[in-house]
Amino acid sequence: DAGVTQSPTHLIKTRGQQVTLRCSPISGHKSVSWYQQVLGQGPQFIFQYYEKEERGRGNFPDRFSARQFPNYSSELNVNALLLGDSALYLCASSLGAGGIQEAQYFGPGTRLLVL
Amino acid sequence: GEDVEQSLFLSVREGDSSVINCTYTDSSSTYLYWYKQEPGAGLQLLTYIFSNMDMKQDQRLTVLLNKKDKHLSLRIADTQTGDSAIYFCAESIRASGGSYIPTFGRGTSLIVHP
Repeated sequence: DAGVTQSPTHLIKTRGQQVTLRCSPISGHKSVSWYQQVLGQGPQFIFQYYEKEERGRGNFPDRFSARQFPNYSSELNVNALLLGDSALYLCASSLGAGGIQEAQYFGPGTRLLVL
Repeated sequence: GEDVEQSLFLSVREGDSSVINCTYTDSSSTYLYWYKQEPGAGLQLLTYIFSNMDMKQDQRLTVLLNKKDKHLSLRIADTQTGDSAIYFCAESIRASGGSYIPTFGRGTSLIVHP
């Protein structure tokens, strides 16, 4: 079975531009979460979606938005890019609505460089 | 990641055991996870333990939990060069919308040398 897939794998943008990152969860998983990982740090939670509804939001500005589609895939959008948005963006999927016992399974990430 | 703390580096010789330590802060019942990240890759779930357990073993991996001290460790037996990676400890924390999400430490970089 395919794991979590993300596209693109790498992306270079300039300050002020907008970017859209895509994620497909493991088949049968209904929840998708997004994380930002800057160099030398652990992943920081951005959003979680379950059944197209936002279930959690981390401490990120409104420039960050996301949505989930009926097939459970998801997009993360970042507007007005800043140099500090350069990071590895990770998508993770889980079976259900994010219960305490639900493990998350991560994709390979999209590496975004903002110049 | 401020709620979960890990030492940043660990160097071991091939064939030895590695022990990676982590402290967490949530005193309520929770799940604790260990993830592995190889260079340029995403995170691979290695194992997890519920906070009412003391120990969990899975092949070369042993997780020990001291709930009183909120201390978690991951022991890798017979460490191989392929185990070289960054290891993240994560604690399941309730998010604003009611779901639980893993909160990560900064990761421990494990270097295995011959």
